[in-house]
Amino acid sequence: DAGVTQSPTHLIKTRGQHVTLRCSPISGHKSVSWYQQVLGQGPQFIFQYYEKEERGRGNFPDRFSARQFPNYSSELNVNALLLGDSALYLCASSFAGSYNEQFFGPGTRLTVL
Amino acid sequence: DQQVKQNSPSLSVQEGRISILNCDYTNSMFDYFLWYKKYPAEGPTFLISISSIKDKNEDGRFTVFLNKSAKHLSLHIVPSQPGDSAVYFCAAYRGGSNYKLTFGKGTLLTVNP
Repeated sequence: DAGVTQSPTHLIKTRGQHVTLRCSPISGHKSVSWYQQVLGQGPQFIFQYYEKEERGRGNFPDRFSARQFPNYSSELNVNALLLGDSALYLCASSFAGSYNEQFFGPGTRLTVL
Repeated sequence: DQQVKQNSPSLSVQEGRISILNCDYTNSMFDYFLWYKKYPAEGPTFLISISSIKDKNEDGRFTVFLNKSAKHLSLHIVPSQPGDSAVYFCAAYRGGSNYKLTFGKGTLLTVNP
């Protein structure tokens, strides 16, 4: 069975640009969560989606947005990129949003120059 | 405001001995606590959790202890194995309608053969 997949693996952007990160959950999972992990820190919660509805939002500016599609895949969008947005972006899926049953993808490494 | 704190960036133990990883929290509203393990180039993997109504949870070699009065939890690994070498994250969240998961900064555990 395929695990959580994320694309792209790496990407480089410049300040002010926009980026879209994609996540495909494990088959059967209806919830997706997004996290930002800056070097040397733990993952920071950005969003949780369940059944295409936003169920939780962390302390991130409105430049960060996400959505979940009918097939439960998800996109994370970041507008007006800043140098500080450089991080590993992790996606995790679970059947119903339970963190005990949450499986993470390998992440997308974003570098903003 | 770091609500979940892991004050030891690293820990080194000998194979076969006990590893004790510590975590402190400041938010008394947290209902659930989890430990994740992360290998390089992989997403975190759920390890074990504990509800705030319990003081101990055990799963094989892994035991988590919760001291609510001290707002402290610890993960014990006995016996430690070289394959346990990884970064360990403590995380916590409130139940109900708040789905924000808060992570600590992590502790790098090295188990020496």
